[in-house]
Amino acid sequence: DTGVSQDPRHKITKRGQNVTFRCDPISEHNRLYWYRQTLGQGPEFLTYFQNEAQLEKSRLLSDRFSAERPKGSFSTLEIQRTEQGDSAMYLCASSPSGRAYEQFFGPGTRLTVL
Amino acid sequence: KNEVEQSPQNLTAQEGEFITINCSYSVGISALHWLQQHPGGGIVSLFMLSSGKKKHGRLIATINIQEKHSSLHITASHPRDSAVYICAAHTGANSKLTFGKGITLSVRP
Repeated sequence: DTGVSQDPRHKITKRGQNVTFRCDPISEHNRLYWYRQTLGQGPEFLTYFQNEAQLEKSRLLSDRFSAERPKGSFSTLEIQRTEQGDSAMYLCASSPSGRAYEQFFGPGTRLTVL
Repeated sequence: KNEVEQSPQNLTAQEGEFITINCSYSVGISALHWLQQHPGGGIVSLFMLSSGKKKHGRLIATINIQEKHSSLHITASHPRDSAVYICAAHTGANSKLTFGKGITLSVRP
């Protein structure tokens, strides 16, 4: 069991640049979630995939954010024209079919926008 | 008002003490998680509850569905228990999690 992995673990970028994060869920987990956690706060839901279909997006996900899961396995989260307010920990979680209440979290990608 | 609230916000305890962390929620839920987060960000699920009580080692979690309240208890606390403890509720059709802000626990030797 390799667990949920995320890459990169840390990203420092300048305001206005584009960044892309990757999440590899546990093999055969069909559900994948993205969450964002700002300093001192609990995580907040961003978006959810079931297989390759993006079934729900939070209003937090502005038009600068896009997420994909093209083959129903790994997922990418892209932020265009980054702003300082995008600085946060981006967490990915996956859960298996039929056991949606069991979410396994990745280590997160910490984004710092200068 | 947040849908999931935790108290207290910060907690300091002496090694060996019995610790209780509380969580209340204002929405209908399918299940509730207690999560542990260490510095650096990694989140580990400690418990998933939909009713009653669960125990794992020195940790006990309870939930009262009628009162919309859950507690996490740590017996014989140890400095390695120092972490952020987050309560999260499964809400909505897609089982996404709604999180509390988390409680920072420091256990002093």
